[in-house]
Amino acid sequence: EAGVAQSPRYKIIEKRQSVAFWCNPISGHATLYWYQQILGQGPKLLIQFQNNGVVDDSQLPKDRFSAERLKGVDSTLKIQPAKLEDSAVYLCASSLGNYNEQFFGPGTRLTVL
Amino acid sequence: QQQVKQSPQSLIVQKGGISIINCAYENTAFDYFPWYQQFPGKGPALLIAIRPDVSEKKEGRFTISFNKSAKQFSLHIMDSQPGDSATYFCAASKGAQKLVFGQGTRLTINP
Repeated sequence: EAGVAQSPRYKIIEKRQSVAFWCNPISGHATLYWYQQILGQGPKLLIQFQNNGVVDDSQLPKDRFSAERLKGVDSTLKIQPAKLEDSAVYLCASSLGNYNEQFFGPGTRLTVL
Repeated sequence: QQQVKQSPQSLIVQKGGISIINCAYENTAFDYFPWYQQFPGKGPALLIAIRPDVSEKKEGRFTISFNKSAKQFSLHIMDSQPGDSATYFCAASKGAQKLVFGQGTRLTINP
């Protein structure tokens, strides 16, 4: 069974630029999560989708971050404009449902200069 | 309170020894307590998880001990091996969603 796929694996941008990350969850997984993991810290949930609807986005900085999951499968996370403090690994995870084990992708390491 | 506090930040154990990592939580509504293992350049992978209706769960060399009254839980790795060297995260949630992670413990097993 293929795992959660993410791209790109690495991205370096200047502050105030925009960037987008892509996630393809495990086939059949209805729930998709985006986490931010700052170096030396545990992952922090940004947004949770159930199919193509948002379940929780309370910790998403909505002035600059946006995410969508239009067809209930793939998802994109966008940052516009990026700040220095956005430098982190962005992890995507998926699960069969809201109360099932979460499987994580390898992450996208973002460096904002 | 949503915090999960994890200690120690780093741990060095000799091969064959016991590695112990501790976590404490505040939200009594939490009912799912997983431990994740993360290798450099990889995403976290679920190692073992416990729900508060039991005080201990064992899977191979990995054991979770859970103390509901103290709001604490710990991971014990028996017969630690160099391949166990990784960063370990505890987490807590209501159900298995909206995980709140601890700060992580970098474990090094010396051969």
